Amino acid sequence: AAGVIQSPRHLIKEKRETATLKCYPIPRHDTVYWYQQGPGQDPQFLISFYEKMQSDKGSIPDRFSAQQFSDYHSELNMSSLELGDSALYFCASSITGTESYEQYFGPGTRLTVT
Amino acid sequence: GEDVEQSLFLSVREGDSSVINCTYTDSSSTYLYWYKQEPGAGLQLLTYIFSNMDMKQDQRLTVLLNKKDKHLSLRIADTQTGDSAIYFCAERYSSASKIIFGPGTRLSIRP
Repeated sequence: AAGVIQSPRHLIKEKRETATLKCYPIPRHDTVYWYQQGPGQDPQFLISFYEKMQSDKGSIPDRFSAQQFSDYHSELNMSSLELGDSALYFCASSITGTESYEQYFGPGTRLTVT
Repeated sequence: GEDVEQSLFLSVREGDSSVINCTYTDSSSTYLYWYKQEPGAGLQLLTYIFSNMDMKQDQRLTVLLNKKDKHLSLRIADTQTGDSAIYFCAERYSSASKIIFGPGTRLSIRP
């Protein structure tokens, strides 16, 4: 079965650079979520989109922005990168109408800021 | 408030049952999840339970929910070395889309 695809899987950037993470949800899934997991931490919700509109917002820094495109893929744009942004970034997708609102997670993008 | 708590470590002998406990604070949580994360890997949804259920069983996994005490547990029968991972308890409110994760319980298996 198709899963959530994230690219790139690994990314190394320097401080103050920008990064763009991409997420391709499971086909027919209409909602995308972004989470950040720091080293030894639990995943923290950043932002979500339903039908290309922002549906919920968590602890996303102002330096980050995200959007969902007409093909439902989503991009997380990160600017002025800081060392503390080094983390595993997960994208998850779900389809409304299912009884459990399950969120299926992608493999993650590991961002290292040096 | 949003708070999910778990013990951070659990060590069990291979073949024994593992019981991972979780408490949550928001009684409006409708969905409760258990995710598994192996080292360097992504999050795998193991099982979930609705807040109107008391128990759910799926092969070696048994989830128990005590809504009165806001206590959730995951029992893994016949624990194997492949079960070594971090297990996250998570909740989702009925009116919000985000999932709130607990800190995770690192399960280690000893021979």
